Amino acid sequence: DIQMTQSPSSLSASVGDRVTITCQASQDIKNKLNWYQQKPGKAPKLLIYDVSNLETGVPSRFSGSGTGPDFTFTISSLQPEDFATYYCQQYDNLILPRITFGQGTRLDIK
Amino acid sequence: QVQLVQSGAEVKKPGASVKVSCKGSGYNFVSYGINWVRQAPGQGLEWVGWISAYSGNKNYAQSLQGRVTMTTDTSTNTAYMELRSLRSDDTAVYYCARGDIAEPGIIDNWGQGTLVTVSS
Repeated sequence: DIQMTQSPSSLSASVGDRVTITCQASQDIKNKLNWYQQKPGKAPKLLIYDVSNLETGVPSRFSGSGTGPDFTFTISSLQPEDFATYYCQQYDNLILPRITFGQGTRLDIK
Repeated sequence: QVQLVQSGAEVKKPGASVKVSCKGSGYNFVSYGINWVRQAPGQGLEWVGWISAYSGNKNYAQSLQGRVTMTTDTSTNTAYMELRSLRSDDTAVYYCARGDIAEPGIIDNWGQGTLVTVSS
């Protein structure tokens, strides 16, 4: 199975900061890499799909980049509502779908 | 708007089975698949499996093979996930989540989650 190594596992930052999270795939994932935000007690929310495509309605301060196996998620200027846990996720659909999530990055207020 | 509404919380004893439902609305149910994702208390997200509402094709996480069964009822736009031989480490919030047939890993809508507690 493909493993996704996400770092850091936690991060403290201030409003207005630029924040970067990385994710490394153990195999070629052909840019099938998505990013989600999860707030406590809530379901995850899709932010970025296929490395760099912004989901409809997601603010432009969120962005994604990279080519396999290393991918990056960036928040350009942190807002109070951005403090949450973020997950990368890969998927492949060669025969039948298979999905793996990264371990998550908890983003706290400094 | 797209909605996935799941059944309520369950408490089960070890060895028992649980069946969680997920009713879709606001979209063409058979044009999508349903992923199931679980989250143990304080832990990260774990993919459980996927089923196509169009074809019924399915794929399960290797760690749960043999204990999980996913089905859909297109007459009621409802997906089901049954987990058998429950253990304490199956305690988690179980989410259903929509994935496109062509790109099933792009999960753009989620249910509210169903807490399954396994305890003697």
